[in-house]
Amino acid sequence: QQQVKQSPQSLIVQKGGISIINCAYENTAFDYFPWYQQFPGKGPALLIAIRPDVSEKKEGRFTISFNKSAKQFSLHIMDSQPGDSATYFCAASKGFGNEKLTFGTGTRLTIIP
Amino acid sequence: DAGITQSPRHKVTETGTPVTLRCHQTENHRYMYWYRQDPGHGLRLIHYSYGVKDTDKGEVSDGYSVSRSKTEDFLLTLESATSSQTSVYFCAISWTTVYNEQFFGPGTRLTVL
Repeated sequence: QQQVKQSPQSLIVQKGGISIINCAYENTAFDYFPWYQQFPGKGPALLIAIRPDVSEKKEGRFTISFNKSAKQFSLHIMDSQPGDSATYFCAASKGFGNEKLTFGTGTRLTIIP
Repeated sequence: DAGITQSPRHKVTETGTPVTLRCHQTENHRYMYWYRQDPGHGLRLIHYSYGVKDTDKGEVSDGYSVSRSKTEDFLLTLESATSSQTSVYFCAISWTTVYNEQFFGPGTRLTVL
């Protein structure tokens, strides 16, 4: 059962544009939503994370938008650069007790010049 | 990669043979995880450990076993490898029981012929 649905599977964006990746979850007990970035041949690395007490979190060019009522969250990459080309995974878990992370299926992002 | 090493990094084996993958950390983190990554499935949890000799199953544990005799080492064993276990395997570690931030190793690419 896929508890975190991620879309699109792949995305091509021109340099300088905005990349948007969306995730939807089912379990209302989830209260921690991280995004991981993975370059080819490397392990995923935590990029940015949000908790549901805020609707938006921004770190540099990366922003998470969170909609608790719709059970959706999204990653926005502003001024996308070729170096942002990677696979992005959303994830979700309950915050306390070191609950397991449930990952989305990933989005392969390609930034073209 | 946050003081995490995985060995071997690449392995080709034949169906029916036993295989052991090793994850070694230098961070003294309590929690350790084994994931497999397959196209279209994202990252799926195989087994995890919340301390020495304390392990539990993830969502895709059939055909896999784990052991953790020391804080720094977490072993994943395929008792009798099958072609469906061809995958990239990632180890991850976490130190916190709150908001499960995980750090991933570089991965092991396993091919079962």
